[in-house]
Formats: sequence, C-alpha cells, structure tokens
Amino acid sequence: NAGVMQNPRHLVRRRGQEARLRCSPMKGHSHVYWYRQLPEEGLKFMVYLQKENIIDESGMPKERFSAEFPKEGPSILRIQQVVRGDSAAYFCASSPGTLSEQFFGPGTRLTVL
Amino acid sequence: AQSVTQLDSHVSVSEGTPVLLRCNYSSSYSPSLFWYVQHPNKGLQLLLKYTSAATLVKGINGFEAEFKKSETSFHLTKPSAHMSDAAEYFCVVSEEGSSNTGKLIFGQGTTLQVKP
Repeated sequence: NAGVMQNPRHLVRRRGQEARLRCSPMKGHSHVYWYRQLPEEGLKFMVYLQKENIIDESGMPKERFSAEFPKEGPSILRIQQVVRGDSAAYFCASSPGTLSEQFFGPGTRLTVL
Repeated sequence: AQSVTQLDSHVSVSEGTPVLLRCNYSSSYSPSLFWYVQHPNKGLQLLLKYTSAATLVKGINGFEAEFKKSETSFHLTKPSAHMSDAAEYFCVVSEEGSSNTGKLIFGQGTTLQVKP
C-alpha cells in the first residue's frame, strides 16, 4: 500500500505564473487535508476536502488559492499569480475518516522567483 | 480555541543523554495530542498520540510523552538520544468541538541537535 504521494516534489515558478500541486491519498482514504509550512514555522492548516466536496477552507487565503478533490484523480491545490510570499512547503495528508490518523506526504517545495 | 506552544525552538544534547522537548497546550475540550517528527526535506512521521486513554504514551523509536492535565503539558522524552534523532519535532493538537473537522494545529517546532 503506497503512502501519500505528492508531485512535483519541487516546483519553481516566476511571479505571476500558476502553480498546481497534486496529492494522491493512500488507497482507501477519501479525506484530504492541505497544510502550508512557511520557512522557520510550523505547519498551518489550509483546507479539508472529501471526494468532490470542500468541507473546511478556513485556512485558505481569500484570493488566488483554490483546491479540489474530484471523484477520480488526485487532489489539486492551485495557486494563481504566485508571489514571493507563496514560497513554502505544501503538505497534504490523507485519512480514512474525519477523526482518524492523518498520513502525510513528502511535500511540495514551491519556490517563487 | 486550541493551541500549542513549544517552549524551546532549539535543543542540543549529546548522544546517549536524555531528550526532553517541552510542549504546553490550550484546549477547551479533552484534547487529542500528537508528536510528529520531520527529518530534513522529508514529510512528517507520527511519533505518538494521546487520545484520552493512558496518560503515558509510548511511541516509536523509544520516544514517549506524558499528558499532564494539571500542567496542560505534553512533553516528549527519550532516555538516550541517537544521532538519527536529529530532526524537527512538532507538538500538535487536533481541533475539537462542534465544528470538529479533524484539522491539526501545529506548534512552531523544536529543532533537536544531537552531538557526538
């Protein structure tokens, strides 16, 4: 049973470009959480999704950020018109249920030039 | 609202000596508490979790933590540090309450350095 997969592992974008981060949950997991880790900080919750539904997006910036978890395929975190302040490590975690243990992926490290 | 405070941003120990990483929490409910470890450029690995069962929780790699409600603490300990323990450690609380979505609230992290 493969763990949580994230790709790409490293992503470089110039200011104004779009960044797409992908997360494939563990087999059998239908719950996905996205977290952001800014340099020298702990992880901060961004969004919680179940298949085809956003359950809690209270940690998402109001503009430029969106997330989806379609019926088929990975969960996508999309950042439009990236700025330098978006440079961070983005982690996703999956779980089989809301209160179940979350299993983390290796993260995507986004660098905005 | 729940929160966690890790009292030390950096801890340095010699190999073979005890490790103590301190964490205090704030929660209106009976919390679920976790310790995660992050090795450089890697994802996070769960070390141990407390979910209102035994107050002394044993985890992987010889780590354990004690939940002390009276002190609102959940300190992580290990009797003897190994070089491979050098990493970033996060104390984490799970959101509780009526809007419980299971999201995790992380402390700022403690960098553990192990000297030979």
